[in-house]
Amino acid sequence: DGGITQSPKYLFRKEGQNVTLSCEQNLNHDAMYWYRQDPGQGLRLIYYSQIVNDFQKGDIAEGYSVSREKKESFPLTVTSAQKNPTAFYLCASSMRTGGFSNEKLFFGSGTQLSVL
Amino acid sequence: QKEVEQNSGPLSVPEGAIASLNCTYSDRVSQSFFWYRQYSGKSPELIMSIYSNGDKEDGRFTAQLNKASQYVSLLIRDSQPSDSATYLCAVIGYQLIWGAGTKLIIKP
Repeated sequence: DGGITQSPKYLFRKEGQNVTLSCEQNLNHDAMYWYRQDPGQGLRLIYYSQIVNDFQKGDIAEGYSVSREKKESFPLTVTSAQKNPTAFYLCASSMRTGGFSNEKLFFGSGTQLSVL
Repeated sequence: QKEVEQNSGPLSVPEGAIASLNCTYSDRVSQSFFWYRQYSGKSPELIMSIYSNGDKEDGRFTAQLNKASQYVSLLIRDSQPSDSATYLCAVIGYQLIWGAGTKLIIKP
């Protein structure tokens, strides 16, 4: 059963702590993305990756880091430098590379991150 | 700054009526247009894509694109309570840009 798996569904971060959100896909997609969604707002791109061992900053990359060591996996770390991390985080993938195209995005179920 | 604008709503429509959702965009090079539906606390799911001027129908859904006026709309016929959700407009030009979404409420 192909898809994108995000974990955990809910995550709590303490002051000064780094936390990592997991994203795994078995769709054999080359491109993967991380979005942040705040209430009443659209999706904002944090990072994206078009190929293993390569990734690009999106519009709001400050305070976040990613890695792409395997095609299937694109974890996102929310660092202590991100002062307002409370949001709904969505991982997505698409088949095409070479920048954005007319390919549809497949989304994971999301992770709600909150600050303790 | 390239933008995609949507009325945040909520848009309240009686069950069985036609719901009309609108989206305007600022980037004239935009070529691909998408409507995603997002239930509260869930991830977006693609319901329609459109690439050329005119109408595209899929079941109860019709997407309409007018590149000259830079707007794209989504019509939902015979609205059902299960259509109650936030509808996100996404536009691809040089990059993918998302609107903030319109909250749709279908009243039984």
